[in-house]
Amino acid sequence: GAGVSQSPSNKVTEKGKDVELRCDPISGHTALYWYRQSLGQGLEFLIYFQGNSAPDKSGLPSDRFSAERTGGSVSTLTIQRTQQEDSAVYLCASSLLAGGLNEQFFGPGTRLTVL
Amino acid sequence: KQEVTQIPAALSVPEGENLVLNCSFTDSAIYNLQWFRQDPGKGLTSLLLIQSSQREQTSGRLNASLDKSSGRSTLYIAASQPGDSATYLCAGFNNAGNMLTFGGGTRLMVKP
Repeated sequence: GAGVSQSPSNKVTEKGKDVELRCDPISGHTALYWYRQSLGQGLEFLIYFQGNSAPDKSGLPSDRFSAERTGGSVSTLTIQRTQQEDSAVYLCASSLLAGGLNEQFFGPGTRLTVL
Repeated sequence: KQEVTQIPAALSVPEGENLVLNCSFTDSAIYNLQWFRQDPGKGLTSLLLIQSSQREQTSGRLNASLDKSSGRSTLYIAASQPGDSATYLCAGFNNAGNMLTFGGGTRLMVKP
């Protein structure tokens, strides 16, 4: 595809369940980012992958959150034992290379609702 | 820690007006600044990227400037149209980080 794609577009789950969110970056982009957008918190960085380097997990809010990137392409963000405060839009972005010279392109997001 | 602020939080103007959206940041060690547009229920669309060595970028009716010394960026929209109605976000990429730090956004409404 031409842009970053994410699935599902919407996810409703019950408190305590695990969820997986998927991101397909733009083909050839080596850097991949996850952000979260919630009411009252704005857009927050979660995690960053660059090639085969260890990811920067400094933005993950708790150990219930994890992410992986297989084969340097598709990424999955997993939230275990979901809580109501996890309700937000989860946005994925990719850039050709890492670093500030490179424009980040965002996907449409996954809206997560935890009941 | 970088903090990014956008003023005003909301703006309503009649069609045809020229307008300026403001973005300020606390850490001048910024590597680039990116302006985005977000439509309701949608993701972010990149509008302009200004590198730290640049002062401004232009795309169509949009012009973005960057003044690192004062910690400010502005997005100028010429001859606004109802289709410009959206939330506009600025975000800075710091040398020491691997992520964008976002402002809270300016919600723009252009009335026909």
